[in-house]
Amino acid sequence: DTGVSQNPRHKITKRGQNVTFRCDPISEHNRLYWYRQTLGQGPEFLTYFQNEAQLEKSRLLSDRFSAERPKGSFSTLEIQRTEQGDSAMYLCASSPLPGAVGEQYFGPGTRLTVT
Amino acid sequence: ELKVEQNPLFLSMQEGKNYTIYCNYSTTSDRLYWYRQDPGKSLESLFVLLSNGAVKQEGRLMASLDTKARLSTLHITAAVHDLSATYFCAVDTWNRDDKIIFGKGTRLHILP
Repeated sequence: DTGVSQNPRHKITKRGQNVTFRCDPISEHNRLYWYRQTLGQGPEFLTYFQNEAQLEKSRLLSDRFSAERPKGSFSTLEIQRTEQGDSAMYLCASSPLPGAVGEQYFGPGTRLTVT
Repeated sequence: ELKVEQNPLFLSMQEGKNYTIYCNYSTTSDRLYWYRQDPGKSLESLFVLLSNGAVKQEGRLMASLDTKARLSTLHITAAVHDLSATYFCAVDTWNRDDKIIFGKGTRLHILP
């Protein structure tokens, strides 16, 4: 197993465009998390899935953000009508157990730049 | 709203010295994690602390958890340059709304 993977690694887009990121968790990990990290800050929780169910969403996740995990495996995070404030590193993590007892395994992240 | 506060936020220290990073949090939780992040890289798990009084050690790093004081510490012994990185603590609110909340991180710079 190669760990959590994310694609693309970098994305530059113009304001107003839509972008979609993909996360492939470690095989058979039930939980999948999305975070956003800006420079000099810790990761901010956005949302998480247990299998295909989205169980929690942060208030940071505005209507322009949507996440899916259709078959309980990979997940996508879409941002519509991007704004410059969306520029950040988007991190995905997976965890093998409900209740997140134990560490989360993070992917390399997708760095989004909105011009 | 849960707050996780780390201090110091920046630490520059000489090799061979000892120091402690503090992580205070504002709600009851008995699950706390420490992560390391190198510049431009993702997060690497260091420690998982799951009960009051938990202590874990790996090499020159030792982490502890006091759930009554809502405090975790990460102690560095005889620092070496390779430990230069940003260290984050994160609190798991599994018994409330099931989120992981990170502190702002402590950027550690160890001078040779």
